[in-house]
Amino acid sequence: LAKTTQPISMDSYEGQEVNITCSHNNIATNDYITWYQQFPSQGPRFIIQGYKTKVTNEVASLFIPADRKSSTLSLPRVSLSDTAVYYCLVGRFSGGYNKLIFGAGTRLAVHP
Amino acid sequence: NAGVTQTPKFQVLKTGQSMTLQCAQDMNHNSMYWYRQDPGMGLRLIYYSASEGTTDKGEVPNGYNVSRLNKREFSLRLESAAPSQTSVYFCASSDPGTGAGVVKNIQYFGAGTRLSVL
Repeated sequence: LAKTTQPISMDSYEGQEVNITCSHNNIATNDYITWYQQFPSQGPRFIIQGYKTKVTNEVASLFIPADRKSSTLSLPRVSLSDTAVYYCLVGRFSGGYNKLIFGAGTRLAVHP
Repeated sequence: NAGVTQTPKFQVLKTGQSMTLQCAQDMNHNSMYWYRQDPGMGLRLIYYSASEGTTDKGEVPNGYNVSRLNKREFSLRLESAAPSQTSVYFCASSDPGTGAGVVKNIQYFGAGTRLSVL
């Protein structure tokens, strides 16, 4: 399983763009990169997933360079409600289940 | 559409007591999971069930047992609770998401069960 490394915490202000970079040097060919968001007292929820290049949805963008050894989650114009923990996961579906490891994640604090 | 439902939401046990955490999903997913999350930590996989009738150990299975009762329900049992099992427990289910351009293997989580063992 590919190990991921991401910053422990980040601070930002309302209206700014936030970029959280995740390193996954030993990513395998069949691995996808998935980001989850977790609010206090809630379970994680899916934000975005990519395999290569750029993916954008209504919540975020995910940038993946050609070598796929890192990825960057971009949150445009954050608000106070984006304060949460963000997890970068690298894994694949194997043996009938997701081989995923949740690290400690990045605690994002958005300030007024 | 309720998604993943966990009961109870909160529980306090004394050391040595037993209890079962219940989880049910209404998304027709084959795979289900149990995680624990300690303060300031990420989630650690306790057990998973790839499909109805099968279960397997995750990273931290000691002290727990599971039952995949049917496709919808996956329960976690603590036979003799210990203070080290004080944690928040999350159940999840996943959809393989086959097909090009479809997000793959997304896990959907319940709201969690906050367990304290005294």
